[in-house]
Order: sequence, then C-alpha cells, then structure tokens
Amino acid sequence: SYLLTQPPSVSVAPGKTARITCGGNNIGSKSVHWYRQKPGQAPVLVISYDKDRPSGIPERLSGSNSGNTATLTISRVEAGDEADYYCHVWDSSRNLRVFGGGTKLTVL
Amino acid sequence: EVQLVETGGGLVQPGGSLRLSCTASGLTISTDYMSWLRQAPGKGLEWVSIIYSGFSTYYADSVKGRFTISRDNSKNTIYLQMNSLRAEDTAVYYCAREKDRYFDFWGQGTLVTVSS
Repeated sequence: SYLLTQPPSVSVAPGKTARITCGGNNIGSKSVHWYRQKPGQAPVLVISYDKDRPSGIPERLSGSNSGNTATLTISRVEAGDEADYYCHVWDSSRNLRVFGGGTKLTVL
Repeated sequence: EVQLVETGGGLVQPGGSLRLSCTASGLTISTDYMSWLRQAPGKGLEWVSIIYSGFSTYYADSVKGRFTISRDNSKNTIYLQMNSLRAEDTAVYYCAREKDRYFDFWGQGTLVTVSS
C-alpha cells in the first residue's frame, strides 16, 4: 500500500521557521492534508488540499506539495505550536486513507 | 456546533469482542462519510474503516474480516463491531467525518485495551 514518510522529530527556536516534510512516491499527484495533535487531544485539521487553511488556522501555517515531498511550513514558531503533526492522503487505487508516521515538533 | 461522542471502549480479553458507538450532533451521518481511526499508545494515527452515505464500507487490511462498521440513521450513530480482538488492537479509537477526502470533525476518542 502507499507509504508516507515523516521525520520523527523537528526542533526549532521560537520565532524561526519549522518545515515538516512528508515523503511519498509521486505525492505531488495527490492531495495532502495535515493535522496537528496536542497531548491528550484529538487531531485537528490545519491544512487541506496541500495548502488550504481551515478557518481559525493562522496564516503562519502553510503547505506545499511537489514531486515526492509535501511540506508543512510554520513561520514565526510559537510555544503553542508544539505538537505532533501528521500528513494524510487518499490512496485512490485501493480506496484507503493513509497517514504518515507523525512528526513531533519541539519548540526550543 | 458539531459534536462526535464515542462510547463503548474498555478492557477486553484477546479473542473477545467489543462494539463502539459514535453519536453525532450538528451533522447528519446519513449524508456524510464517517470513519473510524485509531491511535495505539505512543504511536501514530491509523485509519480503520469508513462507511459512505450509500452504505458502502471499506476497511484497513489490519482489521478486514474482524471489524464491521455500520450506522443507524435514526439514532445518528455509527458503530464499530470488533471481533477476534488482538493485543495490537489496543488503541484510542476516534470517529471522524470525512469531507472531500479529509477529516474535518473528530470525536475525543474511546480507549480499547486488549489484554488478559
């Protein structure tokens, strides 16, 4: 089945830019969605269709997708951005929903 | 305001069965695609199953043949019948609405522990 690969962890200082990648075979041909999950809470959608922000998600969060890598970018990182982030695609060939392994974002 | 509330989790022995429920308010499950997902302790998210508005159902390979998703429109509730449970099924189980191939509303989850 389709595989999504994320780095287990990313660390960034406050005010800097964090980039979380999601790798997959020709992922640029798929639509990628991103979720943020804080400890003890359910996931929350932060980016849909590669780059669309749901209402209430700050402009500091943005997404891109090309080739074999999709990227979630968080600008001007704040302590409140510390969380686990997951990418997600629909595997249309088998009608399955696939998640990356997740990336723990640590704000130094 | 949309709310999804999962119930039915608990401790069950290996080989046992459990039925989870997810009751929705603020949305109508009969017209939506509804999924179950899970998260093992300290692990990532895993999609488990989906039921379409037309009653078509799909499953992850890890649960196919053991789990059954269904819904009761009159109760605005979806279910996950889990049989032949294994230790590796231990997880928090979430229900979520799928809209345009992404999950926009999630419940708070219910914990299933499979252990003797």
